Amino acid sequence: TAGITQAPTSQILAAGRSMTLRCTQDMRHNAMYWYRQDLGLGLRLIHYSNTAGTTGKGEVPDGYSVSRANTDDFPLTLASAVPSQTSVYFCASSDSPGGTDGSGANVLTFGAGSRLTVL
Amino acid sequence: GQNIDQPTEMTATEGAIVQINCTYQTSGFNGLFWYQQHAGEAPTFLSYNVLDGLEEKGRFSSFLSRSKGYSYLLLKELQMKDSASYLCAVLDSNYQLIWGAGTKLIIKP
Repeated sequence: TAGITQAPTSQILAAGRSMTLRCTQDMRHNAMYWYRQDLGLGLRLIHYSNTAGTTGKGEVPDGYSVSRANTDDFPLTLASAVPSQTSVYFCASSDSPGGTDGSGANVLTFGAGSRLTVL
Repeated sequence: GQNIDQPTEMTATEGAIVQINCTYQTSGFNGLFWYQQHAGEAPTFLSYNVLDGLEEKGRFSSFLSRSKGYSYLLLKELQMKDSASYLCAVLDSNYQLIWGAGTKLIIKP
């Protein structure tokens, strides 16, 4: 089944340690995104990539970095984890970055999520 | 600042109709989305509105009034499987999605 694969599904991490969340899509979508979801808050964009080789900062980029070496992969790295980074992380992709495509909708496809706990 | 407001939680009865409201204040507008998210799962796309009016898709309909900064999602003939969170999101002038916190819908038999 085509879609987005995230790994790991869940992880407990000691504060100060580094961690990379992996995200791979097989839909050949141009744009990819990393969101975090916290109770009582909407999805918040961490970083995005409109096309391979480019990345941009979202609403809450501090403490996170990304790379987009090819179309399919978009890993998210926490260089030195802190407890406030405890969250559920979702990777998503879309065919067209930002604006609408010919059908009028820029629909996001999400991965299943990675639950990260930083102690 | 940009803001999306939705009720935190709603309860409805199986077989009934429920309307979930969303109001927004954003820097520009390029469309409004509704996503469904079951507990512990990823959000999935339900509907998209860019023009005023009602879009119907089976048991689900979505309405938009751009002048009022208002949308609603209408769910008819509710089923137990409709128990989920419903997320409203607006595409702003920079083509960035602004998300509401979501409405948790509880369906009772």
